[in-house]
Amino acid sequence: QKEVEQNSGPLSVPEGAIASLNCTYSDRGSQSFFWYRQYSGKSPELIMSIYSNGDKEDGRFTAQLNKASQYVSLLIRDSQPSDSATYLCAVRKGGSEKLVFGKGTKLTVNP
Amino acid sequence: DTEVTQTPKHLVMGMTNKKSLKCEQHMGHRAMYWYKQKAKKPPELMFVYSYEKLSINESVPSRFSPECPNSSLLNLHLHALQPEDSALYLCASSQDPGSRVEQYFGPGTRLLVL
Repeated sequence: QKEVEQNSGPLSVPEGAIASLNCTYSDRGSQSFFWYRQYSGKSPELIMSIYSNGDKEDGRFTAQLNKASQYVSLLIRDSQPSDSATYLCAVRKGGSEKLVFGKGTKLTVNP
Repeated sequence: DTEVTQTPKHLVMGMTNKKSLKCEQHMGHRAMYWYKQKAKKPPELMFVYSYEKLSINESVPSRFSPECPNSSLLNLHLHALQPEDSALYLCASSQDPGSRVEQYFGPGTRLLVL
């Protein structure tokens, strides 16, 4: 089982819809969870971090964490064409300096 | 301000060349990282510096040599690279090496080895 798994996509949604991105992780000792957005040819940009079970909202973005199910998700409301990018889920174990990335999900928002 | 800067933006080098990549942050962060990213793949960790000391080397070949001269600066010295080392090299930093801290990436150096 891979440490961090994401649906590779591609995921395509119409403008204004909700995009749902999912990530599962294998290590129950994981304590920190991050979502990065990466535009083609650019570096990853941190958009959300979440450490506790439940939801965390920031503008159009909501991160959801369920440690019992080892599952973290990112919802993007009112999706815009500018949201078209690859979204990387990253997980960090407690006491570790290492961030483990999933393979990323490519999202396309169609006008 | 969460800015990490990297120079150069692009680098082309031959297999016998020696070059260096530079990374700088002025956020007072005490952990700095080098990653390598190939096309359509996630970033792969290479090295971690915590409080200016090398704390993780992910079995990186010796032709890559990291250096942390001070808390704001991180270098990656390159020597005798292979064409398969062509990639985007990313620097990142975080406030400290703890687990509940956010890691911020620089814009990267796109390296081509001929």
